[in-house]
Order: sequence, then structure tokens, then C-alpha cells
Amino acid sequence: GAVVSQHPSRVICKSGTSVKIECRSLDFQATTMFWYRQFPKKSLMLMATSNEGSKATYEQGVEKDKFLINHASLTLSTLTVTSAHPEDSSFYICSASGGNENYGYTFGSGTRLTVV
Amino acid sequence: AQSVTQLGSHVSVSEGALVLLRCNYSSSVPPYLFWYVQYPNQGLQLLLKYTSAATLVKGINGFEAEFKKSETSFHLTKPSAHMSDAAEYFCAVSPSGSARQLTFGSGTQLTVLP
Repeated sequence: GAVVSQHPSRVICKSGTSVKIECRSLDFQATTMFWYRQFPKKSLMLMATSNEGSKATYEQGVEKDKFLINHASLTLSTLTVTSAHPEDSSFYICSASGGNENYGYTFGSGTRLTVV
Repeated sequence: AQSVTQLGSHVSVSEGALVLLRCNYSSSVPPYLFWYVQYPNQGLQLLLKYTSAATLVKGINGFEAEFKKSETSFHLTKPSAHMSDAAEYFCAVSPSGSARQLTFGSGTQLTVLP
């Protein structure tokens, strides 16, 4: 149980375009989803927290207009990187919590974004 | 406020030797503590978690960790390293309770020497 699917695993896009990353909870209802960013050889930095049906809460320094997060259902959250630039290239990882501690903190497999 | 300190960004052990990865935490409320493993270009896999039950927690792949409140530590151990254990390991803390974001340590790269 407690599987989180993240797609795509890798994406390459041109500067100025937008990219959408999906995070799905497959066997539980994710009332809360978290989006993290990981720089090479670095730890995970929390970008935002999203609760189903409400606006995401962004961490300080994260541009909400660049990193659009939607959590429209209990099984799906999306992160859209808008007008991507090379400095947005990174590894993005989502995690989901179902409010049940047994299902908390399950991570997706990550998305490697490269902006060229 | 919470924070996690992982001592040693790189640890090397010989195959069959004891693995010890150190983690100290700071939390203003009773914490939940976690160890995750990450292989290259993959997400995080939960090894084990402490959620205020038994202080000695056993996880997958032979790993275990002991919560020591007096030392604010949650070190990860494995009696005998395998080559497949080579990976990045992250310690993380969250406030007790569900649906709280994790604060991660900086990670420890474990190398297993033949």
C-alpha cells in the first residue's frame, strides 16, 4: 500500500516553455501533498504544501507564479513550471500524506527536469 | 522549529562491516523521525520511522535506528554492509502527527568497499 506515482520521470524542455509534473496517490487518498526540489548532491528543499481543494502554501523564496501547484482531487497534484529557464533545471519530488500516519510521507520517484 | 544534522557527508565501510550513519535533531515539539534511502535519479524510499512507540525501530534491508531523547539522536545502523547498500541516506524530522512536512538533513553518501 501507499504508492505514489510521479510522471514524467525525465523531461527536457526549451527555455520559455511550461512543464507539468503529475503526482498521484494510487491506493490512498492524499489529503496533503508536498513538493520538494533537490539540487545535485544536495538535500531536499520543501517548495510548497498543498491540501486538496485549497491553495498551496509556498515556502519562503519560492515563486508561486513560476511554480504553479494544483491539488484538485484527493489523488492528484500537479506542479507546473512556467516559463522555464535553465536555472529551473533540477530534480523535483512529490510526497503524499493521507492523514493516516501509516500512509504518511510516501514519495514519488522524482522528475528530472532539464531546461535547454 | 525543527532541524536535522547528519554528521559526515560521506561514509565508507567495507563489505560486511558495521554501518553507522549519524543523525541529531532539534525540535520544539515531540518529533517523528525518519530515515530514507535514495539511489541515483530515484525518489526516496522509507527505511524506517519513529513515531513515539518503541525507541528501537527496525526497518527494511536489515537497518535499524534508536531514538535517544537525551542525546537528541536517531542514528542508523546495520550490522553488516552489502554492496547494494551504497546510496544516499537522509534523516528527516517532522512534528508528531500526520500530514506534516519533513525537514531533511543534508544527506550522507554511503560507499561500500569490496
